[in-house]
Amino acid sequence: DAGVIQSPRHEVTEMGQEVTLRCKPISGHDYLFWYRQTMMRGLELLIYFNNNVPIDDSGMPEDRFSAKMPNASFSTLKIQPSEPRDSAVYFCASSLSSDGYTFGSGTRLTVV
Amino acid sequence: DAKTTQPPSMDCAEGRAANLPCNHSTISGNEYVYWYRQIHSQGPQYIIHGLKNNETNEMASLIITEDRKSSTLILPHATLRDTAVYYCIVRAYNTDKLIFGTGTRLQVFP
Repeated sequence: DAGVIQSPRHEVTEMGQEVTLRCKPISGHDYLFWYRQTMMRGLELLIYFNNNVPIDDSGMPEDRFSAKMPNASFSTLKIQPSEPRDSAVYFCASSLSSDGYTFGSGTRLTVV
Repeated sequence: DAKTTQPPSMDCAEGRAANLPCNHSTISGNEYVYWYRQIHSQGPQYIIHGLKNNETNEMASLIITEDRKSSTLILPHATLRDTAVYYCIVRAYNTDKLIFGTGTRLQVFP
């Protein structure tokens, strides 16, 4: 199994641009989570899906952030427009029911 | 979910056992104790979890006190590759979310 696959690994963009982060969960997993990590705030849960349905998006910082899961094998996290304070490492994780999570390698986003 | 308290940092000599404590005095009956670790720049990695009995797997052992108010993660023979931030998390089994605190930064030295 290739694990949770995130792309791109690194993204540098200018303020105001749209950014799309991608995640492919482990096949058969029914939960998908998006986290953000910064030095100041640590690991924050942004949103999670169960069977492709968003369950809790209370961690999404504002309307500039949106996430979708069109099918069981793909999810996106979009930021539009991006701002410098969005610079962080974004992790995607998947799990089968309430078992341990498997995290991807993350996307390091820099907004200049 | 119950709150956990961990020391911010610990050191351990290579080859020795690393014992990482976690306090979760407000844990309730249906809440499990989970441990994850994050090696620099990588995604967090699941280690082990338990409810009330001690647990062991190929990575570590988890010792939970009888009153369940605290636990200890044991890495029996620490290596340099075990240097990481270790997170202790309490979560009800029927709760989907995993909320990370600040963890313990373990430094294994030669």
